[in-house]
Amino acid sequence: NAGVMQNPRHLVRRRGQEARLRCSPMKGHSHVYWYRQLPEEGLKFMVYLQKENIIDESGMPKERFSAEFPKEGPSILRIQQVVRGDSAAYFCASSPLSGEQQFFGPGTRLTVL
Amino acid sequence: GQQVMQIPQYQHVQEGEDFTTYCNSSTTLSNIQWYKQRPGGHPVFLIQLVKSGEVKKQKRLTFQFGEAKKNSSLHITATQTTDVGTYFCAGEIAGANSKLTFGKGITLSVRP
Repeated sequence: NAGVMQNPRHLVRRRGQEARLRCSPMKGHSHVYWYRQLPEEGLKFMVYLQKENIIDESGMPKERFSAEFPKEGPSILRIQQVVRGDSAAYFCASSPLSGEQQFFGPGTRLTVL
Repeated sequence: GQQVMQIPQYQHVQEGEDFTTYCNSSTTLSNIQWYKQRPGGHPVFLIQLVKSGEVKKQKRLTFQFGEAKKNSSLHITATQTTDVGTYFCAGEIAGANSKLTFGKGITLSVRP
């Protein structure tokens, strides 16, 4: 049973470009969570999704950021018109049921030049 | 604002010493989870505590959930260099759509 997969592992973008981060949850998991981690900082919750639904997006910036978890395919975190402050590690986690342990992917490290 | 607190953010111990860290929430938690992240790695689940006053052990690690379900502790007996990393607590706040609120973590370094 493969773990949570994220790609790309490293992503470099110039200011103003778009970044697309993908997350494939563990098999059988329908709950997906995205977190952002800045150097020397903890994990900041961004969004919680179930298949085709956004359950909680209270941690998402109001502009430029969006997330989806379609019926088929991976969950996508999309950042439009990236700025240097978006540089961070973005982790995706999945769980089989809400409130249970979360399994984290290896993360995508985004660098904005 | 930050609802799950972990202070301090860094602690250095001599190998063989015991280590205890605490996690405090401003609100009652449905459950609390602990994760460990090695440098350059991703968080890995350690334990989940659900019941008031619950104590769980994993080898040299002991986890406790407070009676009021607002705080938790992690105790490591006789630290080893393999214990280095950042330990996060994460609380599920009652009625908060089952999302976890993570503390900032405590980074443990162990001097050999």
